Amino acid sequence: DAEITQSPRHKITETGRQVTLACHQTWNHNNMFWYRQDLGHGLRLIHYSYGVHDTNKGEVSDGYSVSRSNTEDLPLTLESAASSQTSVYFCASSESTWTGEQYFGPGTRLTVT
Amino acid sequence: KQEVTQIPAALSVPEGENLVLNCSFTDSAIYNLQWFRQDPGKGLTSLLLIQSSQREQTSGRLNASLDKSSGRSTLYIAASQPGDSATYLCACRDDKIIFGKGTRLHILP
Repeated sequence: DAEITQSPRHKITETGRQVTLACHQTWNHNNMFWYRQDLGHGLRLIHYSYGVHDTNKGEVSDGYSVSRSNTEDLPLTLESAASSQTSVYFCASSESTWTGEQYFGPGTRLTVT
Repeated sequence: KQEVTQIPAALSVPEGENLVLNCSFTDSAIYNLQWFRQDPGKGLTSLLLIQSSQREQTSGRLNASLDKSSGRSTLYIAASQPGDSATYLCACRDDKIIFGKGTRLHILP
């Protein structure tokens, strides 16, 4: 069955370190998304991609970057981790850009100390 | 700017009752609205997707309706069960994807 996987599932890192969170989907979807989920804020969009070599900023993109070199993967990089980036990160994908149903990965819990 | 609100934030009901969860949005120019379920410590599971041209969608005991003119969607759960306990989230799709903060549902055995 098609799925979205994220790794690692849990990560503890120190302030200032570069961190990369992996997202891999086997749906063959063109559209991929990264969200963070925080108490009191709900889910917020960080970056998204509509296809290979396409990336776009979301609502809370400062301090994060993504690159899309193939259909299956959209890694999220924290350039210099900050305590404010402690959160749960979710990756999602959809087939259609505007009307497609979104499918979510299991999430990565990141703690920045 | 689109704002999505879910009220109440938490709800407890006895097993077997029918219940309605609410989702309101400020900008009616949406492509679709999607309802999700999230269990503690888990990812989001898609429940129902309603396109802007549709009025409702059904899956098993779940029925979701969409009224764009009033900026409202409802998720109806029939004959609730303890396994329905979870947080339910709605998300509106226009040029962005905006989530509500969810309703935490607890079904009392």
